[in-house]
Amino acid sequence: EAGVVQSPRYKIIEKKQPVAFWCNPISGHNTLYWYLQNLGQGPELLIRYENEEAVDDSQLPKDRFSAERLKGVDSTLKIQPAELGDSAVYLCASSPGGPGRSYEQYFGPGTRLTVT
Amino acid sequence: AQTVTQSQPEMSVQEAETVTLSCTYDTSENNYYLFWYKQPPSRQMILVIRQEAYKQQNATENRFSVNFQKAAKSFSLKISDSQLGDTAMYFCACGNSGGSNYKLTFGKGTLLTVNP
Repeated sequence: EAGVVQSPRYKIIEKKQPVAFWCNPISGHNTLYWYLQNLGQGPELLIRYENEEAVDDSQLPKDRFSAERLKGVDSTLKIQPAELGDSAVYLCASSPGGPGRSYEQYFGPGTRLTVT
Repeated sequence: AQTVTQSQPEMSVQEAETVTLSCTYDTSENNYYLFWYKQPPSRQMILVIRQEAYKQQNATENRFSVNFQKAAKSFSLKISDSQLGDTAMYFCACGNSGGSNYKLTFGKGTLLTVNP
């Protein structure tokens, strides 16, 4: 079974430029998460999808961040414009959801963003 | 709101020895799960062990076991017979089960180094 796939793995951009990250969850997983992980910190939830619906985006800075999961499968997270403080690792995770399994989260390798 | 505190930023242990990582948490939920995740250098986060809060028996997975003290809101991880491959960041996390508000709250992590 293929794991959570993320691309790119690394991205270096100049501030004020746009950037997008892509995530393909494990097949059959209806729940998808985007996390932000700053250096030396634990992941913090940005947004959670149930199929194509964003059910928890309270931590997403909506002035510059946006996300979509149009067909309920893969997802894109975008930042426009990027700021120096956005330098971090962006993690995607997926979960099969459902009774007794909603706690299972499988993480991708992450995208390490450096804003210069 | 949930909070997770890991008071040991770094720890080291000799190969084949036993080490215990500490974690305390706070949650207003009655039903919740606790987790330990491992994040090796430049590799993706994987689940090490989980504990359902309603279970009194401590979870065990091979060399990994937990000491769950619900009243004290403590959830420590014991690694027995430490191996070089155990070197990683370890994150403690708390998640509420079920419903539409399910998400994980992570601690800041403990960097464990296993020395030969």
